[in-house]
Amino acid sequence: GESVGLHLPTLSVQEGDNSIINCAYSNSASDYFIWYKQESGKGPQFIIDIRSNMDKRQGQRVTVLLNKTVKHLSLQIAATQPGDSAVYFCAERGYGKLTFGQGTILTVHP
Amino acid sequence: DTGVSQDPRHKITKRGQNVTFRCDPISEHNRLYWYRQTLGQGPEFLTYFQNEAQLEKSRLLSDRFSAERPKGSFSTLEIQRTEQGDSAMYLCASSFETTGTKQFFGPGTRLTVL
Repeated sequence: GESVGLHLPTLSVQEGDNSIINCAYSNSASDYFIWYKQESGKGPQFIIDIRSNMDKRQGQRVTVLLNKTVKHLSLQIAATQPGDSAVYFCAERGYGKLTFGQGTILTVHP
Repeated sequence: DTGVSQDPRHKITKRGQNVTFRCDPISEHNRLYWYRQTLGQGPEFLTYFQNEAQLEKSRLLSDRFSAERPKGSFSTLEIQRTEQGDSAMYLCASSFETTGTKQFFGPGTRLTVL
């Protein structure tokens, strides 16, 4: 069946460090993989997506890597800031709908 | 503020009562989605609309749940005969059809069933 999961439920980093959040997926038929950020009391916020035929995509301070061989997705955040503290969800799109993973809590210490 | 609004923000009800939530999406978006989220979990897809047409409904969604988007603008989600297991955050999101991975989420409606 379809499933999207995370290796680490929590990640603590110092301000200015780079952060890497990982995700495993199982549905090879997904056409897009996406990262969302959710701050306390708010709905999820889109960060970046990557099409299934790509292996890397960069945005502003963020990079998403896709390894289809091992069905692994990662989000790299450069120069992490306190405002990056949130729960990060990976998601996959299959048949038009999004399936979200469990989430990783990122805490950035000043 | 993403431009997607939901009402009410909180709802407390007794088991067996019916509840209705409203979502106002970003006006230019033709797709509207409903999700349910419980503590520590990612949003779980419930259903989505393209304009006024309901295109997909989760198999996990019981027949106590119904959603409408009568004029292709706002949407309502109704839960009949609520159960304690329905307690969750109900999220609405909207997007353009062509950018369905980039969904704009509302703040959610937190439902507590006593």
